[in-house]
Amino acid sequence: GAVVSQHPSRVICKSGTSVKIECRSLDFQATTMFWYRQFPKKSLMLMATSNEGSKATYEQGVEKDKFLINHASLTLSTLTVTSAHPEDSSFYICSARDPITSYNEQFFGPGTRLTVL
Amino acid sequence: GDSVTQMEGPVTLSEEACLTINCTYTATGYPSLFWYVQYPGEGLQLLLKATKADDKGSNKGFEATYRKETTSFHLEKGSVQVSDSAVYFCALLNNAGNMLTFGGGTRLMVKP
Repeated sequence: GAVVSQHPSRVICKSGTSVKIECRSLDFQATTMFWYRQFPKKSLMLMATSNEGSKATYEQGVEKDKFLINHASLTLSTLTVTSAHPEDSSFYICSARDPITSYNEQFFGPGTRLTVL
Repeated sequence: GDSVTQMEGPVTLSEEACLTINCTYTATGYPSLFWYVQYPGEGLQLLLKATKADDKGSNKGFEATYRKETTSFHLEKGSVQVSDSAVYFCALLNNAGNMLTFGGGTRLMVKP
């Protein structure tokens, strides 16, 4: 149980375009989802916390107009990188929390590798 | 704020060698502690966890004990395999359960 998927797994885009990444909880309802960014050979940095039906809470230094997060349903959160630039190239990982079966554990998606040319 | 410090890698071992990856933390209250593993090109998988002092988490031959007196959660395995090659992350979940703080990650390479 507690499977989280991400789509796409890999995306390459031109500078200036927008890219949408989906995060889905497949077998549970996630009231809270998290978006992380991981640079090569580095740890995960929390970007934002997404609560279903409300605005996301962004960490300090993360541009909310650049990284748009929508959590419209209990099983889907999306991260849109707007007007992407090469410095946005990174590995983006989402996680979801299942408050019913495991309140304090986050289940991670497989990640999306974004390359901006 | 909360923080997690783990030994820098890479750690290179021969198959069947003993493994220890050190992890220490600073936090207020009573955090939960986790070890995650990341295989190349993949996301994170939970390896083991401990939610209170003196708890021992174990999975796939790995184990770690939550030591409040030394604020540590060292990862150990008695005999590593080539398939254990990955990056291991120590993490701390705060009291409120809404913030997961990661260590820098330790790359383990196991040679046949």
